[in-house]
Amino acid sequence: NAGVTQTPKFRVLKTGQSMTLLCAQDMNHEYMYWYRQDPGMGLRLIHYSVGEGTTAKGEVPDGYNVSRLKKQNFLLGLESAAPSQTSVYFCASSPSLGGVGSNQPQHFGDGTRLSIL
Amino acid sequence: GESVGLHLPTLSVQEGDNSIINCAYSNSASDYFIWYKQESGKGPQFIIDIRSNMDKRQGQRVTVLLNKTVKHLSLQIAATQPGDSAVYFCAENRGSGGSYIPTFGRGTSLIVHP
Repeated sequence: NAGVTQTPKFRVLKTGQSMTLLCAQDMNHEYMYWYRQDPGMGLRLIHYSVGEGTTAKGEVPDGYNVSRLKKQNFLLGLESAAPSQTSVYFCASSPSLGGVGSNQPQHFGDGTRLSIL
Repeated sequence: GESVGLHLPTLSVQEGDNSIINCAYSNSASDYFIWYKQESGKGPQFIIDIRSNMDKRQGQRVTVLLNKTVKHLSLQIAATQPGDSAVYFCAENRGSGGSYIPTFGRGTSLIVHP
């Protein structure tokens, strides 16, 4: 049981390049999340999904897009990378409880370290 | 201690001591709170959670206390070990359009000296 798997683990991009970060979970969780973590700071939510085919904006969505075509996968895209997007990106998933949302702890991947030059 | 929005503080303790990490939350409507541990180069890992209908919850060597009156959460680690060295985050779940979106504090760095 792998839990949450993120690929790639490291990447260096040039300003203006695009890329997609992949997150896969094998726990049949409904909810998935993308966060960024900058030095000395906590996790800031970029986008999230409450189910297959749905996405929503988090706290810092600008410059990112996401897709949830399959329940087990959540993709984070950078269309035109900027140095300000240099960060560590974490994906997480959690189950849901009935129809009122997810009051369960999140399961995290080990992150993707992204540098934009 | 940390607040869900402050500079990352550091707590240094000796091996075997008890550690207390504090967290202030801002939303009185939050009803679910979680503590995570993040080791260097890893993602956060769940430690313990507590719901707003409880004041205290105990796990193995860890206890979480919730004071809703002053919106304060604490994590107590008994007999702290070097392996406990990590950054600890509290998170609160607040409702947003029917979905519960967790909000994280900036973390407290725990350093355990052997």
